[in-house]
Amino acid sequence: SAVISQKPSRDICQRGTSLTIQCQVDSQVTMMFWYRQQPGQSLTLIATANQGSEATYESGFVIDKFPISRPNLTFSTLTVSNMSPEDSSIYLCSVSQGARADTQYFGPGTRLTVL
Amino acid sequence: AQKVTQAQTEISVVEKEDVTLDCVYETRDTTYYLFWYKQPPSGELVFLIRRNSFDEQNEISGRYSWNFQKSTSSFNFTITASQVVDSAVYFCALSEEPSGSARQLTFGSGTQLTVLP
Repeated sequence: SAVISQKPSRDICQRGTSLTIQCQVDSQVTMMFWYRQQPGQSLTLIATANQGSEATYESGFVIDKFPISRPNLTFSTLTVSNMSPEDSSIYLCSVSQGARADTQYFGPGTRLTVL
Repeated sequence: AQKVTQAQTEISVVEKEDVTLDCVYETRDTTYYLFWYKQPPSGELVFLIRRNSFDEQNEISGRYSWNFQKSTSSFNFTITASQVVDSAVYFCALSEEPSGSARQLTFGSGTQLTVLP
């Protein structure tokens, strides 16, 4: 499986600021996804990062709050904009090699605390 | 709509005991995939197994085994002779055949397993 890295691994931010999280894969992948895991909760899909086009967002998530880029097949960024304490979560990227039936492998996650 | 239920929020066992984590799913599709992931305290999500809906054979991998029963819509996970390093949150997940451009994973709420020495 691909090796996935995320930067930063953790951060503490002030209310009203923005943070960009990077996800880097060591090989080209077809699909990249971004998830949020609020404290003590399960994972919720934020969006699918599409290479060369706008991300596909899930219900309840909007581009203005979570802009996503995917300039190539190995890299994506998620920005958490105008943060509030409710955005304190683990943010995880995942990748899969195909759109159908393929397993998603996850990065190590970014632990975000918003004060 | 697809749904995954992990009724056990927390389980605590003593080392070397066997433990079974339950997973019940709902889907209207005939083709779907089931997964188990492990999330240790460090936070990363580790893939354990994938099963497709046409393969009901049980699987064993070392101390881990999985019991897939379509009749009861369950995909349970057993750890034999548990160890302290097995302490983690375990997630069951379901994926259906995509109608659009991407497959989605629906996760259960997770089971926190604590193995005491």
